[in-house]
Amino acid sequence: GAVVSQHPSRVICKSGTSVKIECRSLDFQATTMFWYRQFPKQSLMLMATSNEGSKATYEQGVEKDKFLINHASLTLSTLTVTSAHPEDSSFYICSAWGSYEQYFGPGTRLTVT
Amino acid sequence: DQQVKQNSPSLSVQEGRISILNCDYTNSMFDYFLWYKKYPAEGPTFLISISSIKDKNEDGRFTVFLNKSAKHLSLHIVPSQPGDSAVYFCAACHTGANSKLTFGKGITLSVRP
Repeated sequence: GAVVSQHPSRVICKSGTSVKIECRSLDFQATTMFWYRQFPKQSLMLMATSNEGSKATYEQGVEKDKFLINHASLTLSTLTVTSAHPEDSSFYICSAWGSYEQYFGPGTRLTVT
Repeated sequence: DQQVKQNSPSLSVQEGRISILNCDYTNSMFDYFLWYKKYPAEGPTFLISISSIKDKNEDGRFTVFLNKSAKHLSLHIVPSQPGDSAVYFCAACHTGANSKLTFGKGITLSVRP
């Protein structure tokens, strides 16, 4: 089946620095990808919809200047957490639609110290 | 406003018995529903889906039932196996829109040997 990969799987950074997370569709093209965030024991919250070749669409309450999304090709979307703070520590997951279901990446654990 | 609700946070069943996981939704525009299985620190894994034009979909040990009038769906796992122990998320979307998934909070299923 279709596979979505993410890199890195986990990252620790200092407060104030920026972190980039990559999401790739490995054997299919994805004009649209989705970025989610999950806090411990919580549901997956959609942050934004990444559109190839155009601006991302952000969900209400998500700061677009803090969470920069770039979807430069049909197989790659990146999420950059800028000026990270400890409250940005979370599990970030991307996804893309296959034929009948959304395929999810393995997730990236971000810890901001 | 929680549009997809999984009101039971956990369920424990004996190996070999049936597991029934419930999900309710409020948005009448939802027309496609999916169930995902998730382990900690991993991305969700797709299990089964159902379109609103159907009331039942079956795949091996997994069956999803949809009651549109009640805005209710359920996932049946039979027979349950210890390897089924995980968090199960119900998700819904409106395929006529940008197909964003809305997730429930998840149910932790424990299958006792």
